Amino acid sequence: KQEVTQIPAALSVPEGENLVLNCSFTDSAIYNLQWFRQDPGKGLTSLLLIQSSQREQTSGRLNASLDKSSGRSTLYIAASQPGDSATYLCAAPNTGFQKLVFGTGTRLLVSP
Amino acid sequence: NAGVTQTPKFQVLKTGQSMTLQCAQDMNHEYMSWYRQDPGMGLRLIHYSVGAGITDQGEVPNGYNVSRSTTEDFPLRLLSAAPSQTSVYFCASSYRTTSGVGNEQFFGPGTRLTVL
Repeated sequence: KQEVTQIPAALSVPEGENLVLNCSFTDSAIYNLQWFRQDPGKGLTSLLLIQSSQREQTSGRLNASLDKSSGRSTLYIAASQPGDSATYLCAAPNTGFQKLVFGTGTRLLVSP
Repeated sequence: NAGVTQTPKFQVLKTGQSMTLQCAQDMNHEYMSWYRQDPGMGLRLIHYSVGAGITDQGEVPNGYNVSRSTTEDFPLRLLSAAPSQTSVYFCASSYRTTSGVGNEQFFGPGTRLTVL
């Protein structure tokens, strides 16, 4: 059974810092891994999807990496901004591509 | 495209009442899922569907029913609401690649349900 863990649970940084969010998963036989952003009281916004054949995926200031052998993924945010403040969730499939297992998220606060 | 839509946004029920949470997508996605989000527990899969007429249970299916008569709609039914079902419910959809593997999942805005 897939288990997903995110560290740290919360992170507070000043504006402009580069930061890394971590995600680990127990079952490395995954087709893909997805990173989401969730603002308070809102739904999930997909940020990046990394296929198992890829090692990295980039979108603007975001870069996600995937290392299946070690069961880890990282989300790198460059030059953080107050608008980046949100909860970031990673999700990996559980014994099938459709059934996502989510971590409990990292709550990010970027101060001006 | 409207993407994934959910209604209602908020709902308050009394214990024992039944209701249906609506979910629709206009992206012609084959895969649709229902998740619930609870503080400290993250999102957990309730039921999912790989196409019209095909549904299966997720991690926490008890107390919920689903059906998928069309590609667009995937309603979630609470048979007899209990306080333990107080949660935020999210519907998601994704398309299937030629290899049969699911792809990027898109989520609706959620339904916040309180059961008294």
